[in-house]
Amino acid sequence: EAGVTQFPSHSVIEKGQTVTLRCDPISGHDNLYWYRRVMGKEIKFLLHFVKESKQDESGMPNNRFLAERTGGTYSTLKVQPAELEDSGVYFCASSPRVSSSPLHFGNGTRLTVT
Amino acid sequence: SQKIEQNSEALNIQEGKTATLTCNYTNYSPAYLQWYRQDPGRGPVFLLLIRENEKEKRKERLKVTFDTTLKQSLFHITASQPADSATYLCALDLSGTYKYIFGTGTRLKVLA
Repeated sequence: EAGVTQFPSHSVIEKGQTVTLRCDPISGHDNLYWYRRVMGKEIKFLLHFVKESKQDESGMPNNRFLAERTGGTYSTLKVQPAELEDSGVYFCASSPRVSSSPLHFGNGTRLTVT
Repeated sequence: SQKIEQNSEALNIQEGKTATLTCNYTNYSPAYLQWYRQDPGRGPVFLLLIRENEKEKRKERLKVTFDTTLKQSLFHITASQPADSATYLCALDLSGTYKYIFGTGTRLKVLA
């Protein structure tokens, strides 16, 4: 089976610009998660979709971040306008609809805001 | 406050020895605890899951223990190899939430 894919792998943008990250989960995985790792810190939860519905978005930093998962397939995470503190690695993960299922991660998008 | 602690210091061990990594947590009551491996530039890769009612789980050279009284999990790699060098992360599932909370990870280096 194809794994979780994320695009782009790297993005360098200037403060104030907009960036959209994309995640394609494993086919058939209802659960899709976004996580972020800021330099030196732990991987932090951002939000969780079940199919196209946002189950939990308690980790989203602020309203500059918008996640969507139209049709319950791929997901996008838009940052607008980007700030310096948004720099980090954004990971997407997916899992089947069982709570004890492991997360399958993509290789992340490294975002640098200058 | 809720916290997950892993030894942030890198762990260096000689090839062939057993590596033991620690994950401590406070103010959580996880239903499951998972261990992941992460290599530089890659996403975490799932290794093992242990449930709150299980004391120990094994998979090949890997062993995980879970003590809900001590609020601690230990992750062992026996007969370690240089290829085991990576960062190892523990993650807690908060019962019923489908939300996984990660520790900062411990970097393991196995010396040939």
